[in-house]
Amino acid sequence: EAQVTQNPRYLITVTGKKLTVTCSQNMNHEYMSWYRQDPGLGLRQIYYSMNVEVTDKGDVPEGYKVSRKEKRNFPLILESPSPNQTSLYFCASSLGLGSEAFFGQGTRLTVV
Amino acid sequence: TQLLEQSPQFLSIQEGENLTVYCNSSSVFSSLQWYRQEPGEGPVLLVTVVTGGEVKKLKRLTFQFGDARKDSSLHITAAQPGDTGLYLCAGQHRGSNDMRFGAGTRLTVKP
Repeated sequence: EAQVTQNPRYLITVTGKKLTVTCSQNMNHEYMSWYRQDPGLGLRQIYYSMNVEVTDKGDVPEGYKVSRKEKRNFPLILESPSPNQTSLYFCASSLGLGSEAFFGQGTRLTVV
Repeated sequence: TQLLEQSPQFLSIQEGENLTVYCNSSSVFSSLQWYRQEPGEGPVLLVTVVTGGEVKKLKRLTFQFGDARKDSSLHITAAQPGDTGLYLCAGQHRGSNDMRFGAGTRLTVKP
């Protein structure tokens, strides 16, 4: 089944404790991206990747890191999480820019 | 920052009514998509429009892309409770590699 898999689905952590949210797709898509979704603000792009080893900042990259060592994986790293990073995070992949984006189930992160 | 503005933000209607939601930008889109998101799920694509003036229909949903490719609308005829959800427009602006989403229209259709 074609899908984007994010883990974990839920995470509660403390300020400053490094964490990684994993994202994997099995559709051989080149374009992958991370979004955060906050009430009234919609989905805001954090980082995106056009292909392996190519990553670029989106609208809200501060406090986040990503890597794209393999085509299928695009982890999101929070080196020192802060409470303002409490949000619902989505990973998405598509064949290319402007193509249908397939989203993961989301990761609800709470930083206390 | 090239923003996508959606209106209205909230819409609550009775079953059987018609509605239109809007997506506007000050910049030209290379392509624009409409997604629907249900609670606890990621957004799911409804349609992609590319050509200015394009109209696409998906059962009771009609999507229109503005002639200048700066705006789009989604019209739902005879809304049903199953149409309830968050409707998001997303676009790639000309010359950029990022995808931007609007804040969404939260639609509630009451039986």
